Amino acid sequence: QVQLVQSGAEVKKPGASVKVSCKASGYTFTSYGISWVRQAPGQGLEWMGWISVYTGNTNYAQNLQGRITMTTDTSTTTAYMELRSLRSDDTAVYYCARELDGWFDPWGQGTLVTVSS
Amino acid sequence: QSVLTQPPSVSGAPGQRVTISCTGSSSNIGAGYDVHWYQQLPGTAPKLLIYGNINRPSGVPDRFSGSKSGTSASLAITGLQAEDEADYYCHSYDSSLSGSGIFGGGTKLTVL
Repeated sequence: QVQLVQSGAEVKKPGASVKVSCKASGYTFTSYGISWVRQAPGQGLEWMGWISVYTGNTNYAQNLQGRITMTTDTSTTTAYMELRSLRSDDTAVYYCARELDGWFDPWGQGTLVTVSS
Repeated sequence: QSVLTQPPSVSGAPGQRVTISCTGSSSNIGAGYDVHWYQQLPGTAPKLLIYGNINRPSGVPDRFSGSKSGTSASLAITGLQAEDEADYYCHSYDSSLSGSGIFGGGTKLTVL
């Protein structure tokens, strides 16, 4: 079955970087894009960006431009999201999701990133 | 402040019908972008509920339906069940944000 499995929880200090992985299985990895969405504690969903696995093209949320990089490794069918210069308000659960024709299905299980000194 | 506006909460008794609205503008829903809906049960990842405004993925009960008109969309749930208690999010895209994805603020559904 189609599945996205994310890396484990991370604790980072302010100013550090984090790289979350998302391992895809059960479908042709290069046929779909991967989007990243985050959810701060008790808050709603925030779209972070998208990467075309086939071309490597990306589209990042304006408020994250300059701090975020999305990449993929087709040899291991894994997508990565790196966020730099972490702040306390980056504390959130980070989700990857397969993007079909604009919608997301399925989603990864989520990765909690805690930014604290 | 989300670009798409949803009511923070709705409620209904078992068996009743509820609707959740998602209001956008001429740069997103009104520009022709499709609306998608997700259900998030407590402590779990969101799950696709409706895609392309009106379509249900296989496995989603036909008690769930979506619609879109003008700059708004709606999710309707009929025959409410206790297991429907969750957060619901609408999702679309916005041309004024270079085609970036946008979400509604989410609606908490309580089954009384």
